[in-house]
Amino acid sequence: QITLKESGPTLVKPTQTLTLTCTFSGFSLSTSGVGVGWIRQPPGKALEWLALIYWNDDKRYSPSLKSRLTITKDTSKNQVVLTMTNMDPVDTATYYCAHEIAVAGDFDYWGQGTLVTVSS
Amino acid sequence: QSVLTQPPSVSGAPGQRVTISCTGSSSNIGAGYDVHWYQQLPGTAPKLLIYDNTNRPSGVPDRFSGSKSGTSASLAITGLQAEDEADYYCQSYDNSLSGWVFGGGTKLTVL
Repeated sequence: QITLKESGPTLVKPTQTLTLTCTFSGFSLSTSGVGVGWIRQPPGKALEWLALIYWNDDKRYSPSLKSRLTITKDTSKNQVVLTMTNMDPVDTATYYCAHEIAVAGDFDYWGQGTLVTVSS
Repeated sequence: QSVLTQPPSVSGAPGQRVTISCTGSSSNIGAGYDVHWYQQLPGTAPKLLIYDNTNRPSGVPDRFSGSKSGTSASLAITGLQAEDEADYYCQSYDNSLSGWVFGGGTKLTVL
């Protein structure tokens, strides 16, 4: 049974750096083909893919946010960490992590999401 | 503005059939990348509904079906039920962006 859960601050101030952790179970990020991605959703708006890391440490970033994002993995802890620098109120959103099994494929398991509000 | 284009809303009466379109371009759907569909019930995380254009994960009713042609894809829902009222998103991969792309979402209202 695959599960993922996001954790991190619920409130950050503008210009601060956001650090989110995805803790998962039911799969290993050392297994060939496995990836974990981050997707966000501003209130009332659409889903937006942010970043993804593969079992072999291959990292992909949204071109529009690449300069602000860093994704890393800790295989021994079953965790993936996303950092986003220079947070702005427009970054207020629910942030999801999700499991991906095929390159350029679908996200078949999602975490429950965590709402991050950016406000002073 | 999303890379994949969906109608903002569709509606139908219980028992009816509705379709939701997803239009892309030559760098995503038209390039041969698969299309996937998600259902998002109010206040919950997205759930995979259709993967690889036409396939249903275990547990998804066969009332839901997907198709793909050229630079577009469609999700069809037959025998509409009140519990189908949700937001639906298509997703693919874009080789010019080197990343995953989503549609803007379609809100389904069951009348």
